[in-house]
Amino acid sequence: QQQVKQSPQSLIVQKGGISIINCAYENTAFDYFPWYQQFPGKGPALLIAIRPDVSEKKEGRFTISFNKSAKQFSLHIMDSQPGDSATYFCAAWRTSGSRLTFGEGTQLTVNP
Amino acid sequence: NAGVMQNPRHLVRRRGQEARLRCSPMKGHSHVYWYRQLPEEGLKFMVYLQKENIIDESGMPKERFSAEFPKEGPSILRIQQVVRGDSAAYFCASSPPFNTEAFFGQGTRLTVV
Repeated sequence: QQQVKQSPQSLIVQKGGISIINCAYENTAFDYFPWYQQFPGKGPALLIAIRPDVSEKKEGRFTISFNKSAKQFSLHIMDSQPGDSATYFCAAWRTSGSRLTFGEGTQLTVNP
Repeated sequence: NAGVMQNPRHLVRRRGQEARLRCSPMKGHSHVYWYRQLPEEGLKFMVYLQKENIIDESGMPKERFSAEFPKEGPSILRIQQVVRGDSAAYFCASSPPFNTEAFFGQGTRLTVV
């Protein structure tokens, strides 16, 4: 019930391409879904987040798509750049007094 | 407004020593979370604290590990009698009341030799 499944484990994309990372959850009590970006040796940084009453949220080149009925959400990175190469974690949260549950992470490499 | 501050950034301990990791949350944040990350792995939840209370410690090993978040001062993650398997990056995150967003510190990298 607390698990969040993330795929793929690793992803290689050419510069200018679209990177897509998928996550699925089980617990319908989750009500907040953030994505974090982590560079080597650094802490995870909050990238973008969505609540389940919205099907899509876009911030610059980053878009979250949310499918409540399927209990799935995904991160799309448009016009991927080498500087986007990092590990991306999806997460899910029941904000009424719980903790973030993370996916396993996706290591993204954008080739120049 | 400073972010989540963790110190030390790097900590080396010999087997059997104690490690103390500190986390100062962002201003106005009263909730603190500790996560552990092994090399090339994900973020594993350890403990969730509010001021003076442990809310969820389901991820904490039963022995040698403890955490506190006093009324005044930083949150402390304490590891007694460290072993090599404790070598990892330990991250702290904080959030305001009603848990709208969580922000992470830069982590403490513990190496046990």
